[in-house]
Amino acid sequence: ELKVEQNPLFLSMQEGKNYTIYCNYSTTSDRLYWYRQDPGKSLESLFVLLSNGAVKQEGRLMASLDTKARLSTLHITAAVHDLSATYFCAVDAGNQFYFGTGTSLTVIP
Amino acid sequence: GAVVSQHPSWVICKSGTSVKIECRSLDFQATTMFWYRQFPKQSLMLMATSNEGSKATYEQGVEKDKFLINHASLTLSTLTVTSAHPEDSSFYICSALSLRDGHQYFGAGTRLSVL
Repeated sequence: ELKVEQNPLFLSMQEGKNYTIYCNYSTTSDRLYWYRQDPGKSLESLFVLLSNGAVKQEGRLMASLDTKARLSTLHITAAVHDLSATYFCAVDAGNQFYFGTGTSLTVIP
Repeated sequence: GAVVSQHPSWVICKSGTSVKIECRSLDFQATTMFWYRQFPKQSLMLMATSNEGSKATYEQGVEKDKFLINHASLTLSTLTVTSAHPEDSSFYICSALSLRDGHQYFGAGTRLSVL
C-alpha cells in the first residue's frame, strides 16, 4: 500500500518567518503535486513536479522533488497571514492520486 | 484552462434518501474521473475511479452498492449516495483526468449533510 506522509501535521508560525513542509512517499513516482485548501473549499493547484530535481517557485512558496529519496519539500519564505491554509502533497501512481495527510498552516501576525 | 464543474455544492437530505452529485469537465474530455471523500480536518480519500463506458473501480472498503457511479460520457460522471445515513455526511470532491495534458483537475466539492 502506497503511503504519503507529510510533516508536520500542524504548523503555527509568525509572519516573516521561514519553514519547510516535508512530503515522503513509499513508491516510485515521477509526478508529485502540491495543493492548497482553504476551509470549506476544494483544492487549488500550486505546483506540479514532474522529474527528479525539479524546483518550482511561486511568490513565497518553493517546491522541490527528489525522486531518489522519495521526498518533496514545500518551503515557505517570509510567511504572511494569507498563506494560512491546509497544504497537501499528492503522488501520482499510475494515474491514481494518493494524498498526504495534509499540513495545517496558521500564520500569526 | 481546464474547468471541472461539480454540482450541487451543498446538499442537506433526510436519512434514507438518495443524493446524486454530478461532475462535469467543461472544456476537455476525460475518460477517467475520480471521486474522493474528505472528513473534517482530514486528507482526501480516494473512493473510486470512474471510467467512461465501463464499471467504476472501487477502493477497498468502499461499498459499490451504496456509492453508485455512472460515467456515461466523456464529460460527465455522477456519484449517487443511496439510502444516505448521517455517517455519509462528508465533503465529496471529484476530479477529471485530462486527455490533453494528463493532469487531474478538481471540482469545487459537494458538502453532504444527512439528517
